[in-house]
Amino acid sequence: DVKVTQSSRYLVKRTGEKVFLECVQDMDHENMFWYRQDPGLGLRLIYFSYDVKMKEKGDIPEGYSVSREKKERFSLILESASTNQTSMYLCASSLYTGGVRTEAFFGQGTRLTVV
Amino acid sequence: TQLLEQSPQFLSIQEGENLTVYCNSSSVFSSLQWYRQEPGEGPVLLVTVVTGGEVKKLKRLTFQFGDARKDSSLHITAAQPGDTGLYLCAGAGSGGGADGLTFGKGTHLIIQP
Repeated sequence: DVKVTQSSRYLVKRTGEKVFLECVQDMDHENMFWYRQDPGLGLRLIYFSYDVKMKEKGDIPEGYSVSREKKERFSLILESASTNQTSMYLCASSLYTGGVRTEAFFGQGTRLTVV
Repeated sequence: TQLLEQSPQFLSIQEGENLTVYCNSSSVFSSLQWYRQEPGEGPVLLVTVVTGGEVKKLKRLTFQFGDARKDSSLHITAAQPGDTGLYLCAGAGSGGGADGLTFGKGTHLIIQP
């Protein structure tokens, strides 16, 4: 089974802190993604990566950065956490097929609260 | 920007009833996935449909991809309390998935015993 593991289920951080969310996948997938999920807004793509050291902005990258030093690991960084970044963060990975079968496999999510 | 509209947003029905959830767009997708998400967990893939007009069945769940590959539906027969959850549809563009999936906002389904 594909496994995507996020380092924390729940986090509470203070405004202004630098926050690291870690994600590891064990299926040698090329693509990795970070989404945030908020009530009424659905899943929104923050950043994605299609290769080591490669990153692309998604729909809402402001206030976030990412790092992909190894193929299996994709980190999301909140440079200076703010209360409007309180959310459920979901990491996902997928195999690049060059075609149409682009199923995403998700981690269990990190519920981040910024106080 | 490709958008996916899901309807209804919320649905609460009794055990044993049938239901249909819709996922519509004005854009064409190369494939469409359906996911189910339980509270506090990540979404879990249910099915992928690729060909226009394709129908896939997963036990009591029937998934259909529209002929024009712009819309999809999920039909549940004889719903059970275990079907409760958030159902998400997601469309893939032509980039082989390297540019991420476009998600609908989901349908919150509650099946009451």
